[in-house]
Amino acid sequence: DGGITQSPKYLFRKEGQNVTLSCEQNLNHDAMYWYRQDPGQGLRLIYYSQIVNDFQKGDIAEGYSVSREKKESFPLTVTSAQKNPTAFYLCASSMRQNTEAFFGQGTRLTVV
Amino acid sequence: SQQGEEDPQALSIQEGENATMNCSYKTSINNLQWYRQNSGRGLVHLILIRSNEREKHSGRLRVTLDTSKKSSSLLITASRAADTASYFCATDPSGGSNYKLTFGKGTLLTVNP
Repeated sequence: DGGITQSPKYLFRKEGQNVTLSCEQNLNHDAMYWYRQDPGQGLRLIYYSQIVNDFQKGDIAEGYSVSREKKESFPLTVTSAQKNPTAFYLCASSMRQNTEAFFGQGTRLTVV
Repeated sequence: SQQGEEDPQALSIQEGENATMNCSYKTSINNLQWYRQNSGRGLVHLILIRSNEREKHSGRLRVTLDTSKKSSSLLITASRAADTASYFCATDPSGGSNYKLTFGKGTLLTVNP
């Protein structure tokens, strides 16, 4: 089955800790994205990558970091510098241009 | 910054009625897409309309695009309770070499049985 997989589904973090959210796709897509969604809100772009070993900041990159060492994988690290990390995080992938994006099922991160 | 803005923010209708949602955006685009999200889940792509297209259909969905007004509408005909979800428009701004999908805040559609 082709698709995009996020793990874990739920994640709890203590204040001051870094956590890494996993995103893997086997769709052979070049582009991958991380979005943050707060309750009742739309999606805000954190980081995106169009090719291996390259990525760009989105609208709310502060307190987050990413890597793109493999085409299939685009992990997101939520660092302790992110002051309000509790949110629903969505990963997506697509071919480079003019095509639909495929989304994972999301990771709900809660700071305890 | 969010490129697209959906209107209304929430819409409640009876089963069998039509639902219309609108999206306005700010800059020139390559395409505009509509997605659906069930509560607590990922988004599912519904339809993509390119900047040189004016109308597109897919099953009970009809999307229009007016690039002169920088707006799009999504019509769901003969709605069903299962259509209850949030609907988002997303734009792919034209210009530049980066492909970056930008989403609006969504319309929450409730279809009452």
